[in-house]
Amino acid sequence: DQQVKQNSPSLSVQEGRISILNCDYTNSMFDYFLWYKKYPAEGPTFLISISSIKDKNEDGRFTVFLNKSAKHLSLHIVPSQPGDSAVYFCAATYSGGGADGLTFGKGTHLIIQP
Amino acid sequence: GAGVSQSPRYKVAKRGQDVALRCDPISGHVSLFWYQQALGQGPEFLTYFQNEAQLDKSGLPSDRFFAERPEGSVSTLKIQRTQQEDSAVYLCASSLYGTTEQYFGPGTRLTVT
Repeated sequence: DQQVKQNSPSLSVQEGRISILNCDYTNSMFDYFLWYKKYPAEGPTFLISISSIKDKNEDGRFTVFLNKSAKHLSLHIVPSQPGDSAVYFCAATYSGGGADGLTFGKGTHLIIQP
Repeated sequence: GAGVSQSPRYKVAKRGQDVALRCDPISGHVSLFWYQQALGQGPEFLTYFQNEAQLDKSGLPSDRFFAERPEGSVSTLKIQRTQQEDSAVYLCASSLYGTTEQYFGPGTRLTVT
């Protein structure tokens, strides 16, 4: 039973446009969400996170939106650049129990077209 | 400073062999995590250490998997009598105490033939 779902295995976006990656979760205990970016043969790299007490967090070109009632979050990248081509993983955890393992989605492969 | 390092980067084992995978976390990071990533999937949690104490091993798939962190820094994940289904990338991550962001190493790709 997948608790974190990324329903789009891949997404193609033109350079300079906005990329929107989506993520849904089912476990209402999750209260902290993270996005990671992964290049081939490398480990995931932390991008941005959001606590459930917020509905938006912004860092440069990256913005994460959280809709708790819908159990949905999205990552916006604007403008998209060629170096953004990678696999993006959504992850969730319950922060109240101390450090916990992250629960990941299957990832979305973002391809930025020149 | 240096990030999380893992060795070896690639390991080929014959079915039935034992393997040991090493993780060097970021200096000062109290928390250390191991994940298993199968092809086309996201990483799946295996086990968690706070310093030398293994506080959660609920994700270890069988008693053939064993992890240790005896001095609270370097950690080793050992897999005994490897099976083909153990083929995956094994990722190590570390974090500061009390923070949720985890920093990952490059992983060890294990192939069991």
